[in-house]
Amino acid sequence: QSVLTQPPSVSGAPGQRVTISCTGSSSNIGAGYDVHWYQQLPGTAPKLLIYGNINRPSGVPDRFSASTSGTSASLAITGLQAEDEADYYCQSSDNRLSGPYVFGTGTKVTVL
Amino acid sequence: EEQLEESGGGPVPPGDSLRLSCAASGFTVSGTYMSWVRQAPGKGLEWVSVIHSGGSTYYADSVKGRFTISRDNSKNTVYLQMNSLRIEDTAVYFCAREALWFGESMETYYMYVWGKGTSVTVSS
Repeated sequence: QSVLTQPPSVSGAPGQRVTISCTGSSSNIGAGYDVHWYQQLPGTAPKLLIYGNINRPSGVPDRFSASTSGTSASLAITGLQAEDEADYYCQSSDNRLSGPYVFGTGTKVTVL
Repeated sequence: EEQLEESGGGPVPPGDSLRLSCAASGFTVSGTYMSWVRQAPGKGLEWVSVIHSGGSTYYADSVKGRFTISRDNSKNTVYLQMNSLRIEDTAVYFCAREALWFGESMETYYMYVWGKGTSVTVSS
């Protein structure tokens, strides 16, 4: 059971805006550890989507944006496109865990 | 271009051992942090182990004492030795290169180069 909780699924029509939450606690996001986001298209490896809470790597469309507030983070996809249908994971660190990294539970985005 | 390629997966019975390899190109594994991340069928991502550039290693509680991460600088390859395999170790194993991020208050690492993964099936 991950310490970062995401909704199992979100959906939207093409062109709509969807958001994915990543709910943590005072030992991870609330402790000041930044959040990173990954996109995993079906049958492929994860791909870095957002790093350091808000930064997009080169090549990631600006319809992807992210933010943090308190003990939570969120990823927004505006102008939803068919190719955005994928699983999305947040990742951070937690000072109560023996390991240095923790992934969120993952969210499946479905384009209707 | 920085690339990673995993190999060594396959079917094994419970209790057996397996060694996964992660061959890097375009960068040197000795100068960076390298992690193994796994994904059980239909499940989410689970961090497994990391080897730091200085050689320190860390493991998830679920594999501690059974898995060992190492690297061969001459082959530019990272390994994951998996012993006493259990059915719940069945997963696709990805290796990933990490980058350090200096946040406003804390340091974190993110994974920005991923291999395609190698599948491990533990079954009797």
